[in-house]
Amino acid sequence: NAGVTQTPKFRILKIGQSMTLQCTQDMNHNYMYWYRQDPGMGLKLIYYSVGAGITDKGEVPNGYNVSRSTTEDFPLRLELAAPSQTSVYFCASSLPLSGGANEQFFGPGTRLTVL
Amino acid sequence: AQSVTQLGSHVSVSEGALVLLRCNYSSSVPPYLFWYVQYPNQGLQLLLKYTTGATLVKGINGFEAEFKKSETSFHLTKPSAHMSDAAEYFCAVSEGFQGAQKLVFGQGTRLTINP
Repeated sequence: NAGVTQTPKFRILKIGQSMTLQCTQDMNHNYMYWYRQDPGMGLKLIYYSVGAGITDKGEVPNGYNVSRSTTEDFPLRLELAAPSQTSVYFCASSLPLSGGANEQFFGPGTRLTVL
Repeated sequence: AQSVTQLGSHVSVSEGALVLLRCNYSSSVPPYLFWYVQYPNQGLQLLLKYTTGATLVKGINGFEAEFKKSETSFHLTKPSAHMSDAAEYFCAVSEGFQGAQKLVFGQGTRLTINP
């Protein structure tokens, strides 16, 4: 199993450009998540999905969009890049809760700089 | 809303010394608590988690943590530090016990091991 994979690893965008961060998992996990990590800060949840076709906002969704057409893929879209979106983005996945706290598995991250 | 506070953004210990990373949380319901580790340029990996039952939780790489409800704490310890323990450590609390498990993270503690 490759686990959670993210592409690209690095990207530099100009203000106003758009891009899609890709995330794929091969563990057949129903739940997937997007986080951003700013320097000296913990991770903050952007969006999450409980299954194909179902997504919901997290703590910091403004400026982002997501879709979930398959169980495996959960892309994150930035429509009009702004310097405030300079961050490291992590995708994660997990199984549904079943009476316990299930581990979230994280991808290696995408480092995005907006200039 | 739940929150997590990690005391000390940077902790430095000598190889072989005790490691103590502090975490306090706020929650109106019994929480699920987690410690994750992030090695340079990698995603997060689960060290250990507390759900219910035994309050002393053992994790990977010799780490353990104790849930103390009266102190709303979940401090991470390791009796003897190893050079390979140098990393960033995040404490997290689970928000919501049904559906997607949304994690709220502390700001992280960078652990440095001195030879």
